Amino acid sequence: GDSVTQMEGPVTLSEEAFLTINCTYTATGYPSLFWYVQYPGEGLQLLLKATKADDKGSNKGFEATYRKETTSFHLEKGSVQVSDSAVYFCALTSPAGGTSYGKLTFGQGTILTVHP
Amino acid sequence: NAGVTQTPKFQVLKTGQSMTLQCAQDMNHEYMSWYRQDPGMGLRLIHYSVGAGITDQGEVPNGYNVSRSTTEDFPLRLLSAAPSQTSVYFCASSIRPLDRNQPQHFGDGTRLSIL
Repeated sequence: GDSVTQMEGPVTLSEEAFLTINCTYTATGYPSLFWYVQYPGEGLQLLLKATKADDKGSNKGFEATYRKETTSFHLEKGSVQVSDSAVYFCALTSPAGGTSYGKLTFGQGTILTVHP
Repeated sequence: NAGVTQTPKFQVLKTGQSMTLQCAQDMNHEYMSWYRQDPGMGLRLIHYSVGAGITDQGEVPNGYNVSRSTTEDFPLRLLSAAPSQTSVYFCASSIRPLDRNQPQHFGDGTRLSIL
């Protein structure tokens, strides 16, 4: 079945540092890929998405590029802020006929802590 | 705009007790789902519904029941709570079964502890 693997956390950075959170996936066909963010005490919010190969999703200074050849969707930000401290989830959904059609398959989540 | 509302936010149960986690959305979304979130395992799908009167099992359905009598509500029932069900539970909804362009909207979660 479909699966998503994220880099092990937690990740601790100083403010203004560069962030990369790795995400790789296994799926049939061409899934849609998502990054969700969960701030403390809140539910998940969609951060960005990409629906086809070579698409780049971006939002709030975060970016991720859909790489079909490496089955990856790594999250990056050039300069993190304390307010970016949260848990980040990579996820996918399959097109019709796929294992994850109509559902989100999540990675295990990566805790990010940014210090002033 | 309430979005997806979950109640209660916190609950402690004893082993063997039953309870219902409530989920309501005011966006007229057809698709609703329940996930559980456990450390190091991300979110796993418990049950989902593609519309009123229709439910189906997800990845980890054992020990949970659901029903969907209205578009707005999708309660999750624990019939006989077990310590393994200690988790944070999230309800989510979207306009229709998730496709490439329809993100899910999540509630703030219910933190459940089973003693």
